[in-house]
Amino acid sequence: AQSVTQLDSHVSVSEGTPVLLRCNYSSSYSPSLFWYVQHPNKGLQLLLKYTSAATLVKGINGFEAEFKKSETSFHLTKPSAHMSDAAEYFCVVSVGTGRRALTFGSGTRLQVQP
Amino acid sequence: DGGITQSPKYLFRKEGQNVTLSCEQNLNHDAMYWYRQDPGQGLRLIYYSQIVNDFQKGDIAEGYSVSREKKESFPLTVTSAQKNPTAFYLCASSTLGTSTDTQYFGPGTRLTVL
Repeated sequence: AQSVTQLDSHVSVSEGTPVLLRCNYSSSYSPSLFWYVQHPNKGLQLLLKYTSAATLVKGINGFEAEFKKSETSFHLTKPSAHMSDAAEYFCVVSVGTGRRALTFGSGTRLQVQP
Repeated sequence: DGGITQSPKYLFRKEGQNVTLSCEQNLNHDAMYWYRQDPGQGLRLIYYSQIVNDFQKGDIAEGYSVSREKKESFPLTVTSAQKNPTAFYLCASSTLGTSTDTQYFGPGTRLTVL
């Protein structure tokens, strides 16, 4: 079975400061890992994904994430927060056996203060 | 423009009524999915389909039904057997339904029981 834990339900940063959203996963097999962003009352948009290639993954809007197998982590970072980054972020794990669907974390709400 | 459309955006249901949520995609994707999102929780899989005329139950299929008569369409019916249907419903699609595929999401339908 696979699972994913987002360690913070809410994160608040000031505009221009770094962002760190933490994600740990559990999987019996080599996972694919994703970060999605959701703005209020909208669908989800893919930020980036890891599929066993480079461990440092660059995504859209300046976000990146590093896959650390020894720590079973896939934390999302951005050097400088922008007001438009305020949204809900979901870490997602997918494995290649059984049902081919995603397991979502419970989400982290990012607030960006001016 | 290619994408996923969901309708209606808002839906109100009376007790004992069945309602159907529409999901259409023009991305030529084989796999389609329905998720339910409740406040403070990640998405939970209701049903998924990897090919026309075939679909599988997800984690919370009770009280829901689907059909997949066309590749482009994957409607979800919320039946009167679903005791707590008020939620945000998201439809997604992907190329093949494998673990490395990116799932693309529609804008969602918010269902409220009156």
